[in-house]
Amino acid sequence: GENVEQHPSTLSVQEGDSAVIKCTYSDSASNYFPWYKQELGKRPQLIIDIRSNVGEKKDQRIAVTLNKTAKHFSLHITETQPEDSAVYFCAARVNTGFQKLVFGTGTRLLVSP
Amino acid sequence: EPEVTQTPSHQVTQMGQEVILRCVPISNHLYFYWYRQILGQKVEFLVSFYNNEISEKSEIFDDQFSVERPDGSNFTLKIRSTKLEDSAMYFCASSTSGEKLFFGSGTQLSVL
Repeated sequence: GENVEQHPSTLSVQEGDSAVIKCTYSDSASNYFPWYKQELGKRPQLIIDIRSNVGEKKDQRIAVTLNKTAKHFSLHITETQPEDSAVYFCAARVNTGFQKLVFGTGTRLLVSP
Repeated sequence: EPEVTQTPSHQVTQMGQEVILRCVPISNHLYFYWYRQILGQKVEFLVSFYNNEISEKSEIFDDQFSVERPDGSNFTLKIRSTKLEDSAMYFCASSTSGEKLFFGSGTQLSVL
């Protein structure tokens, strides 16, 4: 089945720096890649997503890039702020009969003031 | 903004007991899911539900698990005989199209 790997598991940056989180997926038929932010004790919340017919998407300080050939996609956060501190999960939609999301293992981002 | 709601927020049960976790998906959504998250680990798929039937289930979703949509609004997950390893945060999610999933706030299940 689909497997999604995510790196790094933890990432510490200074406020104002950029943060990059990378994921790889195994199923070349996957066609939808969302990113979720989960604050401590809270629900995962969708922050940005990208479909396989697009290489890059940006929304203010966050952007996602997709390399279909290499089966990589990445989350980029610029000008990080302490409130960006959370666990970030990438996911890939498995193109099976129903299309479930398979999540990566998560990256704990800590932004220090 | 509409939200997926889940009850209870916390559930403590004894091993071997049955539990029912309840969810109210967003009203115009058609796709429903249960995921679970063991503390500090990733979100794991359990089951998906569409058109009043299970569409897909994971290896975790064995015969002890069942889902039901008893009326037009609720979506429930039942664990018939809980085990210690069932302790986790259980998230319900819903979607209009199977893409953007909206998660509920979760039910923390503790099996003693």
